[in-house]
Amino acid sequence: GIQVEQSPPDLILQEGANSTLRCNFSDSVNNLQWFHQNPWGQLINLFYIPSGTKQNGRLSATTVATERYSLLYISSSQTTDSGVYFCAVDRWNNNDMRFGAGTRLTVKP
Amino acid sequence: KAGVTQTPRYLIKTRGQQVTLSCSPISGHRSVSWYQQTPGQGLQFLFEYFSETQRNKGNFPGRFSGRQFSNSRSEMNVSTLELGDSALYLCASSIQQGADGGYTFGSGTRLTVV
Repeated sequence: GIQVEQSPPDLILQEGANSTLRCNFSDSVNNLQWFHQNPWGQLINLFYIPSGTKQNGRLSATTVATERYSLLYISSSQTTDSGVYFCAVDRWNNNDMRFGAGTRLTVKP
Repeated sequence: KAGVTQTPRYLIKTRGQQVTLSCSPISGHRSVSWYQQTPGQGLQFLFEYFSETQRNKGNFPGRFSGRQFSNSRSEMNVSTLELGDSALYLCASSIQQGADGGYTFGSGTRLTVV
């Protein structure tokens, strides 16, 4: 099946810093989403982005489908950004999402 | 609008027992997917239901089953519980397959098997 690799596995930042999270996938996909899991386990959908670029406030994401990677940018990080960020892909767009192992982000005040 | 509701939030069961978890999707969403999250295996797809039919199934043993009702609410059942079934079980709903931005997760049910 499709492989999803996220890097880095862990990231520690000072409040106000910027960061880039990467997601590589092994095959073409029709669906790619980024999620943030908060300390209580809730997964929040950040972006649906099978290709192109989207921005939502301090967060933006870019997917280069032809090169099989996606990037999540977090600018001016805040302590509330802490948590685990997951990239998930769905090859056939049939709601069978395959998740990466995640990037654990810690933002220190 | 109300989000995806999973019940119960926490559950403790004994090895060998069975358990049923419930997921109520967002109103109007007809697709419900289930995932298991463990520290060792991460997030793994269990199965997906749409209009009361299972359309996709992940690589889990037959002890894991599910169903969907006519109101789109879904249940998953795990029989003959094993210690390794301890996990956070998450469900997600969407209007249809691959809906743009429509994939919403519930808060999960944390199952502990002792």
